[in-house]
Amino acid sequence: GAVVSQHPSRVICKSGTSVKIECRSLDFQATTMFWYRQFPKKSLMLMATSNEGSKATYEQGVEKDKFLINHASLTLSTLTVTSAHPEDSSFYICSARDPGVDYEQYFGPGTRLTVT
Amino acid sequence: GQNIDQPTEMTATEGAIVQINCTYQTSGFNGLFWYQQHAGEAPTFLSYNVLDGLEEKGRFSSFLSRSKGYSYLLLKELQMKDSASYFCAVRDRPNRDDKIIFGKGTRLHILP
Repeated sequence: GAVVSQHPSRVICKSGTSVKIECRSLDFQATTMFWYRQFPKKSLMLMATSNEGSKATYEQGVEKDKFLINHASLTLSTLTVTSAHPEDSSFYICSARDPGVDYEQYFGPGTRLTVT
Repeated sequence: GQNIDQPTEMTATEGAIVQINCTYQTSGFNGLFWYQQHAGEAPTFLSYNVLDGLEEKGRFSSFLSRSKGYSYLLLKELQMKDSASYFCAVRDRPNRDDKIIFGKGTRLHILP
């Protein structure tokens, strides 16, 4: 099946700093990627839909100035958590849709962010 | 509004059968997924139903009734490795914006 990678897999940062997470589709071109956040033992909450070449669409309650999304190419989307705080500590997962497959989204392995 | 309900936790015995139910109310519907997630890992795709009926794939089967807003995931011949969280997720397509909305997940515990 299709492969989606994320980097880094784990990151620890200090409060007030910014962290960038990359999501790459390795063997297909993804016009649309999705970013999710998951707290321990909770569901995946969709944060935003990232569209190549255009602005991301954020879900209600997600601060677009805090979670910056850039989808500059058909294989790469980045999520930058700006001025991170301990409450931003979470598991961030991206997924990508292969335009050649009608319904399936392929999930990356996730990034564990810890803000100290 | 969007609402997806599934039990929080279930327990079953190795070798047995378990059914995880899901009900949904969404503004749009373009298919229902079931995902499995082990702790600390990303979700993995199990099944996708867009038409009514039963889809069987090995030990796993998924059923959909669109008129009832209901689905279930059936796991047969349970193995210890099936201990995981299972998410029902709906492909919601309001205003041509296609995205997947996840339920809260069901933590399945398998006992030896």
